[in-house]
Amino acid sequence: DAGVIQSPRHEVTEMGQEVTLRCKPISGHNSLFWYRQTMMRGLELLIYFNNNVPIDDSGMPEDRFSAKMPNASFSTLKIQPSEPRDSAVYFCASSGGTYNEQFFGPGTRLTVL
Amino acid sequence: QKEVEQNSGPLSVPEGAIASLNCTYSDRGSQSFFWYRQYSGKSPELIMSIYSNGDKEDGRFTAQLNKASQYVSLLIRDSQPSDSATYLCAVKLRYSSASKIIFGSGTRLSIRP
Repeated sequence: DAGVIQSPRHEVTEMGQEVTLRCKPISGHNSLFWYRQTMMRGLELLIYFNNNVPIDDSGMPEDRFSAKMPNASFSTLKIQPSEPRDSAVYFCASSGGTYNEQFFGPGTRLTVL
Repeated sequence: QKEVEQNSGPLSVPEGAIASLNCTYSDRGSQSFFWYRQYSGKSPELIMSIYSNGDKEDGRFTAQLNKASQYVSLLIRDSQPSDSATYLCAVKLRYSSASKIIFGSGTRLSIRP
């Protein structure tokens, strides 16, 4: 079975550019999570969706960040405009079933120059 | 008080010994507890889930849960160099919405040959 799929795996961009990260959750999972991880701040939950509906976006750092989940098999996290402090690894995770165990994708390493 | 707390380490254990990782949580009503392993440059990987008091064993790993004392631990028997990683404790808090789990900051484990 395919796990959580993320693209791109690496992204290098210049400050001010728009960045779009993509995620395909595990089939049948009804919850999807976007995390950001840095050495300084550890693993931070940015936003999560239940049944394609955003439930908690309190972790989104500012209005430059937005996330969508147009259907059960696809989500995007967009940063516009990007800044160097956005450099981090961004993980997507999905969960489902009785115990809601979360499974992570491989992550996108974002570098903003 | 943080919702989920772990000693950041590093914890250094000789090869073949038992590694003991601990985690405390603030919400007495929490019901689901998870241990993730994260190798450097990789995504968190779910290795153990535990839902009731007592021990749960899976190969060389044992998760221990004590709800009265609000702690969960992970024991790794016969530690191997390949166990060197950061271990993240995660808890489904009673008052958080359906599928959200809270991660600790992780304990870095180093197995010395």
